[in-house]
Amino acid sequence: AQRVTQPEKLLSVFKGAPVELKCNYSYSGSPELFWYVQYSRQRLQLLLRHISRESIKGFTADLNKGETSFHLKKPFAQEEDSAMYYCALSGRSGNTPLVFGKGTRLSVIA
Amino acid sequence: DARVTQTPRHKVTEMGQEVTMRCQPILGHNTVFWYRQTMMQGLELLAYFRNRAPLDDSGMPKDRFSAEMPDATLATLKIQPSEPRDSAVYFCASGLVDSADEQFFGPGTRLTVL
Repeated sequence: AQRVTQPEKLLSVFKGAPVELKCNYSYSGSPELFWYVQYSRQRLQLLLRHISRESIKGFTADLNKGETSFHLKKPFAQEEDSAMYYCALSGRSGNTPLVFGKGTRLSVIA
Repeated sequence: DARVTQTPRHKVTEMGQEVTMRCQPILGHNTVFWYRQTMMQGLELLAYFRNRAPLDDSGMPKDRFSAEMPDATLATLKIQPSEPRDSAVYFCASGLVDSADEQFFGPGTRLTVL
């Protein structure tokens, strides 16, 4: 079965501090992993995907197949990073349904 | 810019009533998803369509839920009869089958069944 676990419901950090949002997954094949973000009063939107290996808004995420993890990291948090972050998994390419974690609310304190 | 639209944004109804939610995907997108978000279960897939054909509706309670795409610009999700446990936020998302595999989400319909 496909499952995504985000162990923290809420993560509070000070501005300028490093951020790590944890995501672990369960899937028997080779999944595609994504991070989606929802800022206050905005829609859920894609932040980054593992296959593109890009950095968006200073965030990066590395897929660790050995640990089945896809943690989201940023070296220096900013207030505008405060949002809900969802880790998601797709079992195959071709824009197929996502299995979401329950989300982590990141609060960056000034 | 192009966005997924959903109507209504909020719906309060009484148990037993029929509820219809509508979604207009981004023009040209060939894949449409319906997700439901609750506090307990988080975001879960209800159904999805590719080129208007249903590919997976295993997440829907079949006895009361139905999803259709009458045309490429409209997707509907219907609940009949509605129950209090259907109270949730229902999201529609659309996308293309390409290298990006990005799903574009609508603002959601917040449904409350009394």
